[in-house]
Amino acid sequence: QQQVKQSPQSLIVQKGGISIINCAYENTAFDYFPWYQQFPGKGPALLIAIRPDVSEKKEGRFTISFNKSAKQFSLHIMDSQPGDSATYFCAPPNQGGKLIFGQGTELSVKP
Amino acid sequence: NAGVTQTPKFQVLKTGQSMTLQCAQDMNHNSMYWYRQDPGMGLRLIYYSASEGTTDKGEVPNGYNVSRLNKREFSLRLESAAPSQTSVYFCASSEGPNYGYTFGSGTRLTVV
Repeated sequence: QQQVKQSPQSLIVQKGGISIINCAYENTAFDYFPWYQQFPGKGPALLIAIRPDVSEKKEGRFTISFNKSAKQFSLHIMDSQPGDSATYFCAPPNQGGKLIFGQGTELSVKP
Repeated sequence: NAGVTQTPKFQVLKTGQSMTLQCAQDMNHNSMYWYRQDPGMGLRLIYYSASEGTTDKGEVPNGYNVSRLNKREFSLRLESAAPSQTSVYFCASSEGPNYGYTFGSGTRLTVV
């Protein structure tokens, strides 16, 4: 049963543009909403995360927004750079603390 | 540097051979995890250990066994490797539920 649905699967953005990746979830018991960034040949790394008591969190060029009623959270990358080219995963943990990974979004930022 | 260390980085096995993937973390995390990553399928949980002395099955445990040797180390064993186990394996650790994970750099395993 797919509990997390991520979109789009791939995204091409021009340098300086805004990248937006969405994650829809089914399990209302999720209590922590992280995004992970993975470069080729590397393990995923925590990029930014939000807890459901706030609707938005910003860290530098990265913003995560949370819509509890829509059961959706999104990653926005402002002023996208070629170095942001990577695969991004949403991965909320279930009640047992195990991450439920989305399918991933492959972002390519063109110079 | 603090983090999660996985060995080996690359391995080629013949069908039916066995091997153990090693993982160690130095962040004093309670929980440790083994994931596999296949193209187009994201990461899938194989086994996890919520704390020292406990292990539980994840989404895809068949063909694998694990050992939580101590708080630092969590190993994954393939008793009789099959081509379907060709994948990239990641170990991760965390303080517990609702905390970020720290991942290792992965083991790329090919079973021929």
